[in-house]
Formats: sequence, structure tokens, C-alpha cells
Amino acid sequence: GAGVSQSPRYKVAKRGQDVALRCDPISGHVSLFWYQQALGQGPEFLTYFQNEAQLDKSGLPSDRFFAERPEGSVSTLKIQRTQQEDSAVYLCASSLERAFYGYTFGSGTRLTVV
Amino acid sequence: GIQVEQSPPDLILQEGANSTLRCNFSDSVNNLQWFHQNPWGQLINLFYIPSGTKQNGRLSATTVATERYSLLYISSSQTTDSGVYFCAVEVNDMRFGAGTRLTVKP
Repeated sequence: GAGVSQSPRYKVAKRGQDVALRCDPISGHVSLFWYQQALGQGPEFLTYFQNEAQLDKSGLPSDRFFAERPEGSVSTLKIQRTQQEDSAVYLCASSLERAFYGYTFGSGTRLTVV
Repeated sequence: GIQVEQSPPDLILQEGANSTLRCNFSDSVNNLQWFHQNPWGQLINLFYIPSGTKQNGRLSATTVATERYSLLYISSSQTTDSGVYFCAVEVNDMRFGAGTRLTVKP
């Protein structure tokens, strides 16, 4: 597609519920990144894929967070047993390669855990 | 890890005014980028500027890598410039500052 598409745009989850957030990157983009942005803060790095390989997951805050990109295109960020502190905007970005002048961000998914 | 500090945290301008936003970083970086996040949350790439000066219309940016800072200049501001401006630096991954929230009043 023309841009990075994320869905859903908004998600309200009850505490303890599992959620799955989807990112559809720009066609042909090798690199894909997930970021978490809390209210009033800058985005925080979560994880990075090159094609289907997850090369860096150092930013994932706990083992409740899991990301995958099985065919090297669409990626899913899954959060198990959501907690209130997981409430944030989750941003996805893609680039042709890991040279971040080429980053394109999606509009994000706003997750609210109640 | 590397620290990225942006100033001022908030800025209110009258339409037509000029402004300078600053980004300081605590260590050598591979790359630096400026983003604008609009009120709808979309992050837009403004400049990729690991060093030197670049200009794009009313916006320009300068990075002095040896002194570990970057400046973003906005001239003749417009209401559509409102939003949050982020500086991001790359070491092993891309680290963002906390941003400068700009409000341009008509």
C-alpha cells in the first residue's frame, strides 16, 4: 500500500484480556519496527524485524509482549494479560533497510486498558 | 544508555513568529532525525541530519555532532505547524526525546 497501515485504530481491553495489534508495512520494506508511546512521552523502541527475523526485541517490557512477522510482511504485536500500564499508543514503522532516514510511521493503535 | 533532551518542552507562538527547538544528546550517535507528530498522532519525517545543515521551505535544521546538539528552526510559523516535534537519535536503535509541544495561535 501507499503507507503503513495499523489496525485497529483504537482498542479498549479489560485488564487481563489478550490483544493483538496489526501492522501492514509498505510493500517491499524489509525492516519493521514497533514502538510504544505513553501519553506525553516520546516513542520507546520495542522490537525490530528484518524480513521475518526478529533481530532485536530488547525493548519489549515483559514476557507478556510478543511480536511476529511470519512471512516478512504483516506483523502482529500481541499483549497477553493486559495491565493498565500497557495503555499507550503502539506505533509501527517500516523502512527499505535499517537506515532510519527512510522510516515511515503508521498512525498507531491507541490501547486503553480498563 | 544515551540521553536525549529536548527544549523547550512547550512553546506557544503567534502565527508568523519564528522559533528554535533544541535537541541535546549525551553520546556520539550514528544518525539523527527530526519528526513532527500532528494532532492526530501521525509521525512525519522532517529531516535526516546526522551533521550539517538542511533546509526545506520554512523549516531548517542544523546538527553539530562534535558538540552533541541539533537545532530545528521554524520560520513564519503557521497554525498547521502545531503539534509535537521529536528529535530521534540512532545508536543501536532509535531513541526519541520527550518532544517539544508547539502551539501556533492565529
